Amino acid sequence: GIQVEQSPPDLILQEGANSTLRCNFSDSVNNLQWFHQNPWGQLINLFYIPSGTKQNGRLSATTVATERYSLLYISSSQTTDSGVYFCAAAIWANSKLTFGKGITLSVRP
Amino acid sequence: NAGVTQTPKFQVLKTGQSMTLQCAQDMNHEYMSWYRQDPGMGLRLIHYSVGAGITDQGEVPNGYNVSRSTTEDFPLRLLSAAPSQTSVYFCASSPQGVDEKLFFGSGTQLSVL
Repeated sequence: GIQVEQSPPDLILQEGANSTLRCNFSDSVNNLQWFHQNPWGQLINLFYIPSGTKQNGRLSATTVATERYSLLYISSSQTTDSGVYFCAAAIWANSKLTFGKGITLSVRP
Repeated sequence: NAGVTQTPKFQVLKTGQSMTLQCAQDMNHEYMSWYRQDPGMGLRLIHYSVGAGITDQGEVPNGYNVSRSTTEDFPLRLLSAAPSQTSVYFCASSPQGVDEKLFFGSGTQLSVL
């Protein structure tokens, strides 16, 4: 099956800083999603982005499918951005969405 | 809409006991799935369903059964619980298939002693 790797595994930021989270995948995908798991365990879908670029407030994501990676940008980070960020991918004609192991982000005030 | 609802939120079992984790969604989504989350492992797919009456195995299906008799409900059954099944379980759904945005329930924390 598809392999999904995320980097870095851990990230510590000062409030107001910017960051880039990376997701690499091993095969051509037709589905790439980013999720945020808050400190209470809730999983929120941030982006569905199999290709191209999308923006939602301070967050944006870019997927370059031909080069098999996706990036999540967080600008002007806030303490509420803390948590774990997961990317997940699925390949063509496959109903199995595979998750990476996540990036733990801590934003300090 | 309530979205994806999971019950119970917490459960403690003894080895060998059986139980069913409930998952219901009120968004008329065709695709539903179960994941387990363990420290350092991310989320791993247990079973999924692309519509009522259709289920298939994910990455870690052993020890779990599912059925999908209605569009709304997708229960996960543990027939004989083992300590290795101690985990946090998440149910998720999407409108037509995995090629659309996935929505998660709030999770069930299960401990098997």
